[in-house]
Amino acid sequence: EPEVTQTPSHQVTQMGQEVILRCVPISNHLYFYWYRQILGQKVEFLVSFYNNEISEKSEIFDDQFSVERPDGSNFTLKIRSTKLEDSAMYFCASSELGREGAYNEQFFGPGTRLTVL
Amino acid sequence: KNQVEQSPQSLIILEGKNCTLQCNYTVSPFSNLRWYKQDTGRGPVSLTIMTFSENTKSNGRYTATLDADTKQSSLHITASQLSDSASYICVVSGLNTNAGKSTFGDGTTLTVKP
Repeated sequence: EPEVTQTPSHQVTQMGQEVILRCVPISNHLYFYWYRQILGQKVEFLVSFYNNEISEKSEIFDDQFSVERPDGSNFTLKIRSTKLEDSAMYFCASSELGREGAYNEQFFGPGTRLTVL
Repeated sequence: KNQVEQSPQSLIILEGKNCTLQCNYTVSPFSNLRWYKQDTGRGPVSLTIMTFSENTKSNGRYTATLDADTKQSSLHITASQLSDSASYICVVSGLNTNAGKSTFGDGTTLTVKP
């Protein structure tokens, strides 16, 4: 069964450093998403991406964040200058349909645990 | 403001028993409601998706109900198993928003004990 994969599973970085989190969505999916979940808190939407551009983003997704689909398979989240409060699980998700689809079932990856020291 | 509230916050049941989790939402206009199961340290896994025209949806031992008039949903788990121990998250999407910018509930943490 196709699945969303993410690498690395755990990333430890120093405050102020840049990190890139990688995701490989399901191959025939068109919509891609990043979410984060701070330990003990709810999942929070960061950004959605379609047709090589951001379609929607949350207030959390400020200038330190960027997303990219550098090739036909990868979808990345870059955090330019990490802060302590960026420590969280980051989940990538993909769906076949997005806004136009009522059944926009999203498939989540296993997550990358980011620890900022 | 769009909100999704789940209850109870946590629940402990014995293996083999049934349980029901609740979700109330204020998202409007409504598009769909999804229930996810999230094991500790893992990504959420979709259990059910319902649009406003559906009032019940089953997936094995999981049955979700939806009352779009009262903006309430429930997830019923029958004959619970130890592997059902997880967080169950209710997610609601509005019509005028991208599918991703959904509103997540805080989740109900279910513990099934032998």
